[in-house]
Amino acid sequence: EMRLVESGGGSVVPGGSLRLSCAASGFTFRNYAMSWVRQAPGKGLEWVAGHTASGGSPTHADSVKGRFTISRDNSKNTLYLQMNSLRADDSAFYFCAKHPGFDYRGYHFDLWGQGTLVTVSS
Amino acid sequence: EIVVTQSPATLSVSPGERATLSCRASQSVRNYLAWYQQKHGQSPRLLIYGAFTRATGVPARFSGSGSGTDFTLTISSLQSEDVAVYYCQQYNNWPPEWTFGQGTKVEVK
Repeated sequence: EMRLVESGGGSVVPGGSLRLSCAASGFTFRNYAMSWVRQAPGKGLEWVAGHTASGGSPTHADSVKGRFTISRDNSKNTLYLQMNSLRADDSAFYFCAKHPGFDYRGYHFDLWGQGTLVTVSS
Repeated sequence: EIVVTQSPATLSVSPGERATLSCRASQSVRNYLAWYQQKHGQSPRLLIYGAFTRATGVPARFSGSGSGTDFTLTISSLQSEDVAVYYCQQYNNWPPEWTFGQGTKVEVK
């Protein structure tokens, strides 16, 4: 069974940092592009960052550019999101999501994790 | 940025009746349009991609249509387990961006 399991969420003060992880299983992780998508409690979905299968060409939403960095370790079947300079409006559930192909351009998300909650508050 | 707008915000439908959800993009996205179902307390689930292709395991009562800027998700005969928020998403090829509509909440009347 294909599965994505996020971890690393928690409470942090404004200006702080967190690193989220997403462990993949049940499929050949190195063959698929991945993304992070967030959802503030009771709100809609917002794409955050995406990464191709090979490790090159990551891309980030304007709202997090310069503060968040997506990366992956294909040897560990794990996707990461390093979040720095966190703000209150970054508070959300963070989902990792799999694309159906090697690249992310022009592709939807065909598998989602259960999410991890990040709360930014003083 | 391509803006995606869904309507209505809430849809109440009797069991067995048809539910029709709309999604409009601010510019053409060709057929790069997906629909997701999110039940309460769960992560989203892919229903439709490429505007009309059902994902693996999705019941045939779910169908997608449209191209360009106007799209529709139809649930032909609403079941109680279909209560959820439904999101459409465009995934334009270049520049790479993925934007979601604000969601339509489907309730059983």
